[in-house]
Amino acid sequence: GNSVTQMEGPVTLSEEAFLTINCTYTATGYPSLFWYVQYPGEGLQLLLKATKADDKGSNKGFEATYRKETTSFHLEKGSVQVSDSAVYFCALSDRGNQGGKLIFGQGTELSVKP
Amino acid sequence: EAGVAQSPRYKIIEKRQSVAFWCNPISGHATLYWYQQILGQGPKLLIQFQNNGVVDDSQLPKDRFSAERLKGVDSTLKIQPAKLEDSAVYLCASSQWGNSGNTIYFGEGSWLTVV
Repeated sequence: GNSVTQMEGPVTLSEEAFLTINCTYTATGYPSLFWYVQYPGEGLQLLLKATKADDKGSNKGFEATYRKETTSFHLEKGSVQVSDSAVYFCALSDRGNQGGKLIFGQGTELSVKP
Repeated sequence: EAGVAQSPRYKIIEKRQSVAFWCNPISGHATLYWYQQILGQGPKLLIQFQNNGVVDDSQLPKDRFSAERLKGVDSTLKIQPAKLEDSAVYLCASSQWGNSGNTIYFGEGSWLTVV
């Protein structure tokens, strides 16, 4: 079945450090890929998405490239801020499933220190 | 544009009691989802509606959980009787059309603690 695997957290970085959160997936067909962010006490917010191979999603300085050959969608940011502290979820939606439901990874907690 | 509304935000109940959560999706969104997020895990789909019909309820524990979406707008998720392992955040989400390219928008969640 379809699944998403993320690197385990927590990840602790100093402000202005480079961030990478690894995400790999298993899916039949050609899924769409997403990164969602969850700030403390809040719901999930879409951070970025990519709907086909080699697409790059970007938002708020975060980027992720859909790599079909390595079945990966790693999240990167060149310079993190304290306000980026949150839990990040990688997810996929099976294009072949008309329902479009999301399947999530387990989440990676990011803590950025001043 | 108003987001996905959920209530109550927080609920504490004893095991074997019942609880109900309400969700109002974004106006015009035909697809509505209920997810369960246990602490430290990613959200898991419980049930998906397309208008007022069920598309997927394969992971809904039907012996204790039920959900409905009358008139294809608001939805209610009920748990009866609750167990300790039901302690989680219940997230409602909606999308304009149920295909993989469309964005799914989440509410802030209803936090359930079963004691």
